Amino acid sequence: KQEVTQIPAALSVPEGENLVLNCSFTDSAIYNLQWFRQDPGKGLTSLLLIQSSQREQTSGRLNASLDKSSGRSTLYIAASQPGDSATYLCAVALGNDYKLSFGAGTTVTVRA
Amino acid sequence: GAVVSQHPSRVICKSGTSVKIECRSLDFQATTMFWYRQFPKKSLMLMATSNEGSKATYEQGVEKDKFLINHASLTLSTLTVTSAHPEDSSFYICSCHRSTDTQYFGPGTRLTVL
Repeated sequence: KQEVTQIPAALSVPEGENLVLNCSFTDSAIYNLQWFRQDPGKGLTSLLLIQSSQREQTSGRLNASLDKSSGRSTLYIAASQPGDSATYLCAVALGNDYKLSFGAGTTVTVRA
Repeated sequence: GAVVSQHPSRVICKSGTSVKIECRSLDFQATTMFWYRQFPKKSLMLMATSNEGSKATYEQGVEKDKFLINHASLTLSTLTVTSAHPEDSSFYICSCHRSTDTQYFGPGTRLTVL
């Protein structure tokens, strides 16, 4: 059974600082890994999807890396802004049935 | 594109009643739909996978007679919580999968059972 862990559970930084969010998973035979953003009481927005054959993906200020062998992914958010305040969820898919196993998330607060 | 809606967004009901939640993919056909529930400050837990025209596949520990799923078309799936009790209070989220693409999540439904 795939276990996904996210550390830290919460993070508070001043505006402008870079954010580093960590995700680890126990079964390295993943199909892909995704990072999502969730605002309070809302659904999920997909940020980045990394296929198992890829090492990283970038979108604007966001960069996600994937190290399958060590079972880790890191989400970097450069030059954080108050609008980046949200919960960030990491999820892995083990197969092409696209079932996702989620971490508990990291709740980020960016202080103006 | 790739918009998923859920209805209702919030529902409060009395213990013992049944509640139906709809999930619709508005601008694409979803080959598969997933239902998740989320407790406060916890991760999303997959409840079931549904494919259009076939029976849903439930995850271990999820009661299929308690959580009825109907996938009537490629754009609509419903989750009915039967004889709801306070412990069923949760945030229910659906997602729709488009072939060779990622999952798109609905905005969620907050269920409160009194």
